[in-house]
Amino acid sequence: ELKVEQNPLFLSMQEGKNYTIYCNYSTTSDRLYWYRQDPGKSLESLFVLLSNGAVKQEGRLMASLDTKARLSTLHITAAVHDLSATYFCAVGPRVRGGADGLTFGKGTHLIIQP
Amino acid sequence: DSGVTQTPKHLITATGQRVTLRCSPRSGDLSVYWYQQSLDQGLQFLIQYYNGEERAKGNILERFSAQQFPDLHSELNLSSLELGDSALYFCASSVAGGGWDEQFFGPGTRLTVL
Repeated sequence: ELKVEQNPLFLSMQEGKNYTIYCNYSTTSDRLYWYRQDPGKSLESLFVLLSNGAVKQEGRLMASLDTKARLSTLHITAAVHDLSATYFCAVGPRVRGGADGLTFGKGTHLIIQP
Repeated sequence: DSGVTQTPKHLITATGQRVTLRCSPRSGDLSVYWYQQSLDQGLQFLIQYYNGEERAKGNILERFSAQQFPDLHSELNLSSLELGDSALYFCASSVAGGGWDEQFFGPGTRLTVL
């Protein structure tokens, strides 16, 4: 059974600081997704990481994927209050074309204090 | 706005009842996925349809069923409702059915079972 573990599950940080959220998964997969969810809202796609060594950046967020270590990271640089949200990583099917939905981690609840 | 629409936005019903949730995918997307988000179970994949056919099943209860119609909209039917079925139900869509495509999430239907 595919397991996806995120840590930390809760993070309170100050504006201007840097931090990293970690996402480990248990079986082979070459596609890793990061989503953002604001309270009571839908999931907004942030990054799709397609292969080993992939790195993507958007504003103050940068995501990377190491398929050998089965690890993805989401790095926040110089955090601002607007980034407060819950961040989920999700892993795609183990086999291309395989019939599976996404398997999500439990989410990291991020609060950024002024 | 992802382009995926879901109705209704909120639904309040009693135990033992049956409800139907509706989803319209983004224009051009052939796959629809249903997910359940609850405090204790997190985000769980329920079922996927691709071009009218069931493609993959996740943790979907036997009391739940879904279908996808020729116009590609999908409905999730929940019957013999229990208190524990209270959750946010998301629909997502993607272009193809392989499960590796990026999934775009709708705004969700919040179901409350009293």
